Amino acid sequence: RKEVEQDPGPFNVPEGATVAFNCTYSNSASQSFFWYRQDCRKEPKLLMSVYSSGNEDGRFTAQLNRASQYISLLIRDSKLSDSATYLCVVNLGISGTYKYIFGTGTRLKVLA
Amino acid sequence: SAVISQKPSRDICQRGTSLTIQCQVDSQVTMMFWYRQQPGQSLTLIATANQGSEATYESGFVIDKFPISRPNLTFSTLTVSNMSPEDSSIYLCSVARGNNEKLFFGSGTQLSVL
Repeated sequence: RKEVEQDPGPFNVPEGATVAFNCTYSNSASQSFFWYRQDCRKEPKLLMSVYSSGNEDGRFTAQLNRASQYISLLIRDSKLSDSATYLCVVNLGISGTYKYIFGTGTRLKVLA
Repeated sequence: SAVISQKPSRDICQRGTSLTIQCQVDSQVTMMFWYRQQPGQSLTLIATANQGSEATYESGFVIDKFPISRPNLTFSTLTVSNMSPEDSSIYLCSVARGNNEKLFFGSGTQLSVL
């Protein structure tokens, strides 16, 4: 089983739609969790950290479920500019050490 | 956030040659990470570079093929040695910073080996 798993997609959605991605992780000792966005031929950029209490940033909401070992990303009112690959990232390291594991990414295409 | 300057941004190289990629960070960091992203794939960690000690390599990556230097807390280089077409990839340096130790990336080096 992969350490971090994502549905590769692509998810093709119309503008204005709500879309959700899930990511599962295998190591229950994972310490911190993130969603990154990667545009074609560009470096990944941090979209948001994911906290146990859930967190929201504008149209984006992230949730963490430690019991079931998954994180989710919800995008509301999708824009054309949201088209990208969304990477789930898990840090297995304890404070002061780092071991970041990347999911394979989920491709999103928002259609006009 | 972090400002990371990575160069070259791209290169086309001949089989058997070597390429050195440089990363400069805008402030001191303990660890720098080197990743590879092959076409259509996600990121794979090559090694972690610590200042003043040898880099720590992940399974499948060896120092002879990917020597790393870390002369100070703001700079690191990765060399891709004796290149073959299978080394064609994007190479990314990154650092962890801030609350919750978020990762920040350089702009990447697109390497094509002929």
